[in-house]
Amino acid sequence: DAMVIQNPRYQVTQFGKPVTLSCSQTLNHNVMYWYQQKSSQAPKLLFHYYDKDFNNEADTPDNFQSRRPNTSFCFLDIRSPGLGDTAMYLCATSGTQGRSSPLHFGNGTRLTVT
Amino acid sequence: GNSVTQMEGPVTLSEEAFLTINCTYTATGYPSLFWYVQYPGEGLQLLLKATKADDKGSNKGFEATYRKETTSFHLEKGSVQVSDSAVYFCALSDRGRGSTLGRLYFGRGTQLTVWP
Repeated sequence: DAMVIQNPRYQVTQFGKPVTLSCSQTLNHNVMYWYQQKSSQAPKLLFHYYDKDFNNEADTPDNFQSRRPNTSFCFLDIRSPGLGDTAMYLCATSGTQGRSSPLHFGNGTRLTVT
Repeated sequence: GNSVTQMEGPVTLSEEAFLTINCTYTATGYPSLFWYVQYPGEGLQLLLKATKADDKGSNKGFEATYRKETTSFHLEKGSVQVSDSAVYFCALSDRGRGSTLGRLYFGRGTQLTVWP
């Protein structure tokens, strides 16, 4: 089945130690998104790629970076994680059918910063 | 701007009870509206959608009607099951162009717990 896969499911890192989360998709979608979801809150968009075009949200901290080496893969790099970055990180994809195109989410990576 | 307001949870119901989760939105144009569901430990899954006024989205016994006059998209189910226990998110997608196609604005989510 075509899907969005995130690895790892759970990640623990120390304060200030860089961490990379990965996402892959078999849907061949043009758009890939990274969301941050803190406990009991709505997912918050960090940035997204439209093909290779990177789009950062205005309030995304500089600490968060992303790479998309090809259509299938996208990475979220947190350069110096703080305790406040503990959250679920969700990757999603969508096609280019316009505003009615739903997002397809992975199961997320739960990151804990200690 | 665009925003979504959902009723506060948690919502606790007995099995076979009727469910309503209220959702209202503010949008600058003519958005598409969605309900996503998140089961414990998982990512979000699309539950249903509606792309224009008066459209009704439905799936797995859940329904929601796009009401432009009241800017609402309330989620309903006639008879809930224990397996419906999850967090439900209302969302809208603005018109966008190019790289903003499909960008979603989420509500805060409503936790639903169904007891047998």
